Amino acid sequence: NAGVTQTPKFRVLKTGQSMTLLCAQDMNHEYMYWYRQDPGMGLRLIHYSVGEGTTAKGEVPDGYNVSRLKKQNFLLGLESAAPSQTSVYFCASKRWFADTQYFGPGTRLTVL
Amino acid sequence: KQEVTQIPAALSVPEGENLVLNCSFTDSAIYNLQWFRQDPGKGLTSLLLIQSSQREQTSGRLNASLDKSSGRSTLYIAASQPGDSATYLCAVRPIGSGNTGKLIFGQGTTLQVKP
Repeated sequence: NAGVTQTPKFRVLKTGQSMTLLCAQDMNHEYMYWYRQDPGMGLRLIHYSVGEGTTAKGEVPDGYNVSRLKKQNFLLGLESAAPSQTSVYFCASKRWFADTQYFGPGTRLTVL
Repeated sequence: KQEVTQIPAALSVPEGENLVLNCSFTDSAIYNLQWFRQDPGKGLTSLLLIQSSQREQTSGRLNASLDKSSGRSTLYIAASQPGDSATYLCAVRPIGSGNTGKLIFGQGTTLQVKP
């Protein structure tokens, strides 16, 4: 099993550009999450999904959109990137009845 | 609003030393508390999970305790090794999160174990 994978690993954008981050899991997990990690602030939840076709806002959703068209994939979109969105983005997943989340390796995004 | 704090932000110890990492949270209404390890450039790996009804959990050289009433948890690492060098994060699952599984993370403590 590959576990949780994230594409791409690194990306540099200019202000105003758009991009999509892809998260894929092969563990048949129902729940998936997108977090951002900034220096000195821990991880903060952006959006999450409790099943295919469903999404919900987390703690810091502004400027991001998500989609969960397939159970194994969770996409995070930035429509118009801003320097404040420079961060490391982590995806995680878990079974609906379990407590432990499994994390991907992260995507380092820089917005100039 | 639940807040999770980890102090200190960084810690450096010589190899072989026993050490304690601290985590505090403001609201005792939690389902559980987890400790994670994060290696540089990598994702998080769950180390220990303590349910709200439990006082401690152990795995090898790691022991995590939970005092829900005082809003505190500690991660004890015995006989530290250079391979323990990493960032350690704690996270709580608030009762208000329902069945979403949402976690609130602390800022992390970066540990360096010197040979």
